[in-house]
Parts: sequence; C-alpha cells; structure tokens
Amino acid sequence: DGGITQSPKYLFRKEGQNVTLSCEQNLNHDAMYWYRQDPGQGLRLIYYSQIVNDFQKGDIAEGYSVSREKKESFPLTVTSAQKNPTAFYLCASSPLDSGRVYEQFFGPGTRLTVL
Amino acid sequence: AQTVTQSQPEMSVQEAETVTLSCTYDTSESDYYLFWYKQPPSRQMILVIRQEAYKQQNATENRFSVNFQKAAKSFSLKISDSQLGDAAMYFCAYRRDQGAQKLVFGQGTRLTINP
Repeated sequence: DGGITQSPKYLFRKEGQNVTLSCEQNLNHDAMYWYRQDPGQGLRLIYYSQIVNDFQKGDIAEGYSVSREKKESFPLTVTSAQKNPTAFYLCASSPLDSGRVYEQFFGPGTRLTVL
Repeated sequence: AQTVTQSQPEMSVQEAETVTLSCTYDTSESDYYLFWYKQPPSRQMILVIRQEAYKQQNATENRFSVNFQKAAKSFSLKISDSQLGDAAMYFCAYRRDQGAQKLVFGQGTRLTINP
C-alpha cells in the first residue's frame, strides 16, 4: 500500500540532546513537508522540500534541520537549540505538477516529549 | 503573510443534524486554494474538501459542502446529516497558487457529535 510512514510514534528526549524523526513515502511525490502541532494551535510549517538536495525554511525553522538525499525520505532533526520541542510532528507529501492542485498527504505523526 | 482564522474552538451538534464551521482568511492574492482537513482522535490528517478560488461554484463532497465567499474572504464548511464518525478536529487551510505548495492552517475547531 502506498503511503507515508513516520517513526517512531513516540519519542522521548533529554534536554540537550539532538533527535531525528523519520519520514518515508512511497507515493513518488516530489514535495515533502514537516509541520509542528501544538495544543490549541493549527499546524505550523517547519521545513519543506520540492526536490532532492534542496529544501526551504518554513515559518518556525529555528532549532530544526532537515536533509533530502533521496526522493522518498525527508528526516527532521530537532536540535538542542530548539527551546520548546515537545509537540506533535507531522510529515506530509504531495505531487508537483504545474496547473493542477494536489492535496497534501499526511503521515501518522510522531509525538516528541522532552524530559 | 497569509493568515487563516477559525473563530470557533469547539462546536457540537446532534447526530443527523447539520452544523457549519467557520473560517476566514486574509490574503492579497487573487488566485489560491482552500482546504478543509479532518483530524480524528487517531491524529491522522484527512482531506475533506477543497476549493479553487477561481471557481464560483461551491465545492461539495457527499455530506460535506462549503460556502465560499471570495469578497468576504470566508470559507465555511457545512456537514449535513452528522454522524458519530464526524467527530474530530477540523482545520481550514490556505495555499497560494504560485510558488511553494505550503499550507497555512487555522487553529482548528473541535467538533463533537451528540448521539
């Protein structure tokens, strides 16, 4: 079945540690995205990528880093510089085709808790 | 920058009744796209309906329909014949026509269905 997988589902981190959240898609989508969701707020864009080896900062990129070495993979690293990393993280992907509108498909999310 | 506002943090409706969720947005663009996403307790984001701004006709998907008022920058979601499975967080989202296909989300409305 085609889809987006995120791992792990739950992640615990000690303060001062970097952690990497995995996102993989087998939908052959060009674009991938990382969002953060906090209680009482909507999703906010962290980073996005439209092509391999290229990515752009979203609205809240500080304290995060990404890579896009393969089309199907877009891992997110939460660094120790992120002041309040406890949140729910959602990865998404979408095709890119000028002239057409495509929805973003979302993974099941990773819940990160800083201890 | 574009913003999306959902002024109803919580709504409730009796099963089989109709409910309308509100969404307003702010943009200087003339061409764009609007979406309603549903997030059930599983936290999986699911597309409910989409609307292209250049289309005057309101989008419909079975029991779900929108009231798109471009001049007023309003995009409400109507759910008819509400079912228990409709209980979820609902997010309104905006996407520019040109450039990166990133989404701007509202804060969400929690919908409860009363049996």
